[in-house]
Amino acid sequence: NAGVTQTPKFRVLKTGQSMTLLCAQDMNHEYMYWYRQDPGMGLRLIHYSVGEGTTAKGEVPDGYNVSRLKKQNFLLGLESAAPSQTSVYFCASKNRQGKGEAFFGQGTRLTVV
Amino acid sequence: DAKTTQPNSMESNEEEPVHLPCNHSTISGTDYIHWYRQLPSQGPEYVIHGLTSNVNNRMASLAIAEDRKSSTLILHRATLRDAAVYYCIPRSIAGNMLTFGGGTRLMVKP
Repeated sequence: NAGVTQTPKFRVLKTGQSMTLLCAQDMNHEYMYWYRQDPGMGLRLIHYSVGEGTTAKGEVPDGYNVSRLKKQNFLLGLESAAPSQTSVYFCASKNRQGKGEAFFGQGTRLTVV
Repeated sequence: DAKTTQPNSMESNEEEPVHLPCNHSTISGTDYIHWYRQLPSQGPEYVIHGLTSNVNNRMASLAIAEDRKSSTLILHRATLRDAAVYYCIPRSIAGNMLTFGGGTRLMVKP
């Protein structure tokens, strides 16, 4: 009964390094989302996917790339990390039905130094 | 999706009812009203949703104005564990995005 699992939970990167955050869900959900949350702020949508092989930009997509090669996984990539990308990243999934609830992971705390 | 207005913060005493308001005057007729909350250091969690009628579940009640331009999340007896940021999200049944506003930070005093 894992739900939405994010890997890793914590990471420190140096400016310019790259990394990939993994989001995995075991609920067979079509929709998946990546958010970032800066201290004291609300969640901002980075990218989302409505199905395997599809991705779309959210509110703050610059500096990030995503891929959805398998239905259960949604990857968020940082090609060249910047200190402005220091944040907590949350992944979520929901089924296609519009009124269905979204389930969130526990977050990944990323620090870029 | 419709824009929302929520108070930045509210305070409540433990075991008293709490009414969290949300204005969504640009809501369309097919938008459901969702509420999520985010406990400290956790991801958001679903609370409740509704379309036109008032809704109840084990966590809370949702009262929706007749014109649907506002709604109120009701916690019948606040506990310390209810201290969280509460987000009101009008969402189209056909919409793909799920976006959050600033929310209301609820503080519960013992």
